[in-house]
Amino acid sequence: DQQVKQNSPSLSVQEGRISILNCDYTNSMFDYFLWYKKYPAEGPTFLISISSIKDKNEDGRFTVFLNKSAKHLSLHIVPSQPGDSAVYFCAATFSARQLTFGSGTQLTVLP
Amino acid sequence: KAGVTQTPRYLIKTRGQQVTLSCSPISGHRSVSWYQQTPGQGLQFLFEYFSETQRNKGNFPGRFSGRQFSNSRSEMNVSTLELGDSALYLCASSATGTSSQETQYFGPGTRLLVL
Repeated sequence: DQQVKQNSPSLSVQEGRISILNCDYTNSMFDYFLWYKKYPAEGPTFLISISSIKDKNEDGRFTVFLNKSAKHLSLHIVPSQPGDSAVYFCAATFSARQLTFGSGTQLTVLP
Repeated sequence: KAGVTQTPRYLIKTRGQQVTLSCSPISGHRSVSWYQQTPGQGLQFLFEYFSETQRNKGNFPGRFSGRQFSNSRSEMNVSTLELGDSALYLCASSATGTSSQETQYFGPGTRLLVL
């Protein structure tokens, strides 16, 4: 059973516009959520995270929003740049257990 | 600080063989986790080691095993390889693995192809 879901396998955005990547989860025990970015032939790179006690965390162009009641989180990238083109994975964990990943969203930023 | 390193980067094996993959964590990190990435299943947790002990295990058959050495380096072994074991195997390290807020840093992975 998929506890973390990314329903959009791909997303295309124009350079300079906002990219919004979405993620849903089912396990209410998750207490920490993360976004990783992955380029081909490389391992995932940590991007940004948020604790379940917060609803927003911002780091430069990247902002993660958490809606606990809807069990939904989103990653906003503003402005999007061609170098942001990669696969983005949403992940969740609780009590320092293993990361549970979504299936990923391929973001393509068009110049 | 050097990042997580994995060797080899690419591997081709035939069905029935066994394979051993190696992971060196970031210096000072004591927790090492292994994940399997396949197109159909995404990233799935295999197991986690801390202080040479397996602390957590995912839902994989017993053909998948691992170990950790006193210097925190880890190896995973897959015996009696099947075609479905073709995947990218990723290793991640963190300082202690005792806090959800402790970031896991991933290596580049080992791409295994089983023919």
